[in-house]
Amino acid sequence: GAVVSQHPSRVICKSGTSVKIECRSLDFQATTMFWYRQFPKQSLMLMATSNEGSKATYEQGVEKDKFLINHASLTLSTLTVTSAHPEDSSFYICSARDAERGAAYEQYFGPGTRLTVT
Amino acid sequence: AQSVSQHNHHVILSEAASLELGCNYSYGGTVNLFWYVQYPGQHLQLLLKYFSGDPLVKGIKGFEAEFIKSKFSFNLRKPSVQWSDTAEYFCAVNAAGGYNKLIFGAGTRLAVHP
Repeated sequence: GAVVSQHPSRVICKSGTSVKIECRSLDFQATTMFWYRQFPKQSLMLMATSNEGSKATYEQGVEKDKFLINHASLTLSTLTVTSAHPEDSSFYICSARDAERGAAYEQYFGPGTRLTVT
Repeated sequence: AQSVSQHNHHVILSEAASLELGCNYSYGGTVNLFWYVQYPGQHLQLLLKYFSGDPLVKGIKGFEAEFIKSKFSFNLRKPSVQWSDTAEYFCAVNAAGGYNKLIFGAGTRLAVHP
């Protein structure tokens, strides 16, 4: 149980275009989802916290107009990188929290999406 | 602000050697503590977690961690590592009592040689 999927796993796009990444909780309802960014050989940096039905909370330094997050249902959150630039190339990881399970604060991680902007 | 520091960025061991990875956090209140592992090419998996109770926590694959509140530490241990333990290990913390974000340490890359 507690599986989180991401789609696509890899995406290459041209500079100036937008890319949407999906994060789904497959066997539980995720009231809260998180989006992280991981640079090579570095740790995960939280970008934003997404609560179903409300606006995302962005971390300091993250441009909310560039990284659009939508959490329209209890099993799906999307991250759209708008007007992507090469510096946006990174590994994007989502996680989901299931408040109904015993471990209320445990997050389940998706496999990540490798974005390359050319 | 909360922060997590992992002392060892890169550890190299031979099989059967003992492992201890350090993790210290800074936060004055009650915390939940986690160790995650990321095997090459795979996603993050939870190794173990501490919420409350016995400060010695046992996780999967023979790993354990000890929460020492006075030292703000949550070190990860394994008495005898295997080649398959080669991975990156992340310590993480969040403040208890709410749906708060996870703060990750920088990670420790472990290489186990047969």
